[in-house]
Amino acid sequence: DGGITQSPKYLFRKEGQNVTLSCEQNLNHDAMYWYRQDPGQGLRLIYYSQIVNDFQKGDIAEGYSVSREKKESFPLTVTSAQKNPTAFYLCASSIEGRAYNQPQHFGDGTRLSIL
Amino acid sequence: AQKVTQAQTEISVVEKEDVTLDCVYETRDTTYYLFWYKQPPSGELVFLIRRNSFDEQNEISGRYSWNFQKSTSSFNFTITASQVVDSAVYFCALIRGGSQGNLIFGKGTKLSVKP
Repeated sequence: DGGITQSPKYLFRKEGQNVTLSCEQNLNHDAMYWYRQDPGQGLRLIYYSQIVNDFQKGDIAEGYSVSREKKESFPLTVTSAQKNPTAFYLCASSIEGRAYNQPQHFGDGTRLSIL
Repeated sequence: AQKVTQAQTEISVVEKEDVTLDCVYETRDTTYYLFWYKQPPSGELVFLIRRNSFDEQNEISGRYSWNFQKSTSSFNFTITASQVVDSAVYFCALIRGGSQGNLIFGKGTKLSVKP
């Protein structure tokens, strides 16, 4: 089945530690996105990538980093600089990065907590 | 500035009742797109509908219908004869024309449908 796979489903981070969230898609989509969701809040964009080897900061990029070395993969690293990382992280993709009106397809999310 | 407001934080209905979820948006752009997504308890967001700013026709899909009114900047979502499986958080979102990837989400409305 085509879709977006996020792993792990639950992740715990110690203070001062970097952690990486995985996002893989087999939809052959050009664009990929990372969102953060806090309780009772809408989604906020962290980073997005319209094409391989290119990515742009979203509204809340501080304390996060990404890479896009392969079309199907868009990992997100939550660095120790992110002081409040506890949240639900959602990865999404859309067919064409420059076609801004295309629906985004989402993964099941990763819930990150601080130990 | 762009903004999406979903004033209803939580709604609870009994099965078979009709329910309307409100969405009010703000934008200065003449070209924009509006979306509705459903987030069931499993966490992933499911795309429901996209509407562009030049198309004010209402849309019906099974038990779902959408009412888009530019005069009041609203894009409301009605579920007819609600079912327990409709229980989820529903998000309304806006993207401006020319903005690549930057969806603006409302805070969501949690719908509980009781048997």
